[in-house]
Amino acid sequence: DQQVKQNSPSLSVQEGRISILNCDYTNSMFDYFLWYKKYPAEGPTFLISISSIKDKNEDGRFTVFLNKSAKHLSLHIVPSQPGDSAVYFCAASLSHNAGKSTFGDGTTLTVKP
Amino acid sequence: DAGVIQSPRHEVTEMGQEVTLRCKPISGHNSLFWYRQTMMRGLELLIYFNNNVPIDDSGMPEDRFSAKMPNASFSTLKIQPSEPRDSAVYFCASSLPRDTEDTQYFGPGTRLTVL
Repeated sequence: DQQVKQNSPSLSVQEGRISILNCDYTNSMFDYFLWYKKYPAEGPTFLISISSIKDKNEDGRFTVFLNKSAKHLSLHIVPSQPGDSAVYFCAASLSHNAGKSTFGDGTTLTVKP
Repeated sequence: DAGVIQSPRHEVTEMGQEVTLRCKPISGHNSLFWYRQTMMRGLELLIYFNNNVPIDDSGMPEDRFSAKMPNASFSTLKIQPSEPRDSAVYFCASSLPRDTEDTQYFGPGTRLTVL
């Protein structure tokens, strides 16, 4: 049973446009959500997070939206840049669980110049 | 801080051989995680430790896999005997969970190839 799903394996957008990456989860007990970015031959790096008490968190070009009723979150990147091309992982956790997160399979974003 | 350190970065071995992957977490972090990434299964959590104690090893695929954390600054993941299907990138991550932050910091990974 995959508790965190990223249904789009890949996404391609033009430079300057908005990138929207989606993530769905099934466990309503999750209360903390994170996005990680991964370049080839590197480990994932933390990008942005959101607590379940919020529905939006913004950091520069990156905004994460959380819809608890739909068990859905999304990452918006605007404007997209070629350097944003990477694999993006969505992760969810129970804040009392010593940092253990459940990861989605990732979405490969390609931003074309 | 140097971040999470993993060694070796690449390992090529033959089926049946023992493989040991090493990880040094970020100093002060009290949680350590071992992941495996493959094309077929994505990023899988194998095991995680909290304060050097294994908390959840339900992701360890079988008895051929074992992990230890003898102290706060070192962990190993051992595969004995190794099989071709173990070929993957193995990541170690560490974190210092707080009320408002659950961020994990990943090492660069070890790419394992079992021939």
